[in-house]
Parts: sequence; structure tokens; C-alpha cells
Amino acid sequence: DIQMTQFPSSLSPSVGDRVTITCRASQSISTYLNWYQQKPGKAPKILIYAASSLHSGVPSRFSGSGSGTEFTLTISSLQPEDFATYYCQQSYISKYTFGQGTKLEIK
Amino acid sequence: EVALVESGGDLVQPGGSLRLSCAASGFILSTYEMNWVRQAPGKGLEWVSYISKSGDNIHYEDSVKGRFTISRDNAKNSLHLQMNSLRGEDTAVYYCARDLGKSSAFDIWGQGTMVTVSS
Repeated sequence: DIQMTQFPSSLSPSVGDRVTITCRASQSISTYLNWYQQKPGKAPKILIYAASSLHSGVPSRFSGSGSGTEFTLTISSLQPEDFATYYCQQSYISKYTFGQGTKLEIK
Repeated sequence: EVALVESGGDLVQPGGSLRLSCAASGFILSTYEMNWVRQAPGKGLEWVSYISKSGDNIHYEDSVKGRFTISRDNAKNSLHLQMNSLRGEDTAVYYCARDLGKSSAFDIWGQGTMVTVSS
């Protein structure tokens, strides 16, 4: 199985900050990497698919990059509504696995 | 409006069974691959199972293999998860999720249904 490791596990940025979250795969997954945002008590929402493609309706301050084993999610200028938990997910093999999550907390 | 609505979650004793359902609306279920994802209280997301459009290709996470069965009724626009031999570690919110069709990303999620396994 492919293991996904995210870091950091938590972050306390300020509104307006540039935020970068990293996701590392235990083996190469090409660009089969997706990013989700989840707020407390709510279902996750897709942000980025195929490592760098912005899903419809997602603000352009979100971007993704990477290939192989290392990937990043960047929020160019953090907004108040962006405080949430972010998960990466590999879809290279059919046993899809998620990273453990990165929680953005208000400083 | 495109939506998924789960039902069937409940409190069940260890060793018991439960059948979850997921009703799709606003789109034709048969044209999408589907998944179940769960989240234990205070924990991260865990993929559980996948089913192809026609139901002829199915995958499970190792810890549920042999105990859970995913199925779909395209005529009724519904997805199901039969859960047998339930354990405490199966306690979670269970989400059904639609496969976008690109990079197997999940673009539509239900609101979740809570399964609690406890005596």
C-alpha cells in the first residue's frame, strides 16, 4: 500500500500569509494526487485534482504542484474562511489513501 | 442540485451488522464510479471501498475486506455498504463520495452517517 505523509500536522498562520503544506508519497504516484479541505462537522471538499488542476469554483489563491513523491498545496494569501484541515489523497492505485491531515488554526 | 444523502447509521453491538445507503440526486449514478470514506471521531479520513460504474470492479481497504460489501443499484440511483462482523474500530462517520472521473478525485460528498459500534 502507498503511505501518504503530510507535514506539518498543524500550523498557526495569520490572515494574509502564504501557506504551504507538503505531502509525500512512499512511492512514485506520478500526478495522481488530490487535495481536500474539511471544516469541523462538514464533509470534505475537493480543491485540487491531478496534483495541480484547480477544481471548478475553488478560489485561485489555492494552487498545487509536484509529481512523483513530493507535492505541495499553497494558499497564496490566507483568508479567514481557509482555517480548516487539509488532506492529500493518492489515486495512483485503487486502494486510495489519505494523508493524516494538516490543521490550520487561527493564531 | 447534485447531492448525495447517506442513511442507515446507528448504534450496533460488536459483531453486529448494518447496511448503509447513499441516495444520489441531480445526476445519473450509473455514469460515475463511487466510493465510501470514513472518519473516526477526531481522526483523519480513511478510504473504505470503491465500485466501478457497472459494479464489476470492486476494491476494499484491507481491514474491512471480507466483512464489508459495497454494491449499487443504478436503476434506483443508490449505493450501499453492507457491514458485517462490526468492531469498535469501525466506529466512524461514513461518507459516500462521487468520483470526478479525473485523477479519481471525489467531487461530491454526502453529509455522512454515524456508525457507532459499542456494547
